[in-house]
Amino acid sequence: EAQVTQNPRYLITVTGKKLTVTCSQNMNHEYMSWYRQDPGLGLRQIYYSMNVEVTDKGDVPEGYKVSRKEKRNFPLILESPSPNQTSLYFCASSSSFGRAIQETQYFGPGTRLLVL
Amino acid sequence: SQQGEEDPQALSIQEGENATMNCSYKTSINNLQWYRQNSGRGLVHLILIRSNEREKHSGRLRVTLDTSKKSSSLLITASRAADTASYFCATGTYTGNQFYFGTGTSLTVIP
Repeated sequence: EAQVTQNPRYLITVTGKKLTVTCSQNMNHEYMSWYRQDPGLGLRQIYYSMNVEVTDKGDVPEGYKVSRKEKRNFPLILESPSPNQTSLYFCASSSSFGRAIQETQYFGPGTRLLVL
Repeated sequence: SQQGEEDPQALSIQEGENATMNCSYKTSINNLQWYRQNSGRGLVHLILIRSNEREKHSGRLRVTLDTSKKSSSLLITASRAADTASYFCATGTYTGNQFYFGTGTSLTVIP
């Protein structure tokens, strides 16, 4: 089954404790992306990757890191989480032969993060 | 921010009625997409309309695009309780690789 998986689905942590949220897709997609969703603000793009070893900042990259060492995986790293990073996070992927906006994005189920 | 906005923020209708939601965006676009999100879950792609198209249909969905007004609308005809969800429009930068989602319209369809 074609899917995007994220782990963990729920996470409670404390300020400053490094964490990684994993994202994996099995569709051989070139394009992968991370979003955060907050009430009243919709989805905002954090980082995206056009292909292996190619990553770019989205609208709200501060406090986050990503890496794309393999095509299927795109982990999101919070080196020193703060309470304002409490949010619902989504990973997404799409094929990207041309512009990514021309392609359907497939979303993971989400990771709900609480930073105390 | 180049984020778009949906209007209305919330919409409540009776089953069988039509639901219309609007999206306004700020930059020139190549394409615009609509997505649906059921309560706290991942988004699901509904329809894509290209910048040179004015209207597109998919089942009970009708999407229009007015690039001169930088706006799009999504019409759901003969709504069902299962259509209850949040709906988001998404646009991209000129390069097409960075996405901007609107703030969403929360639709409730009352059986």
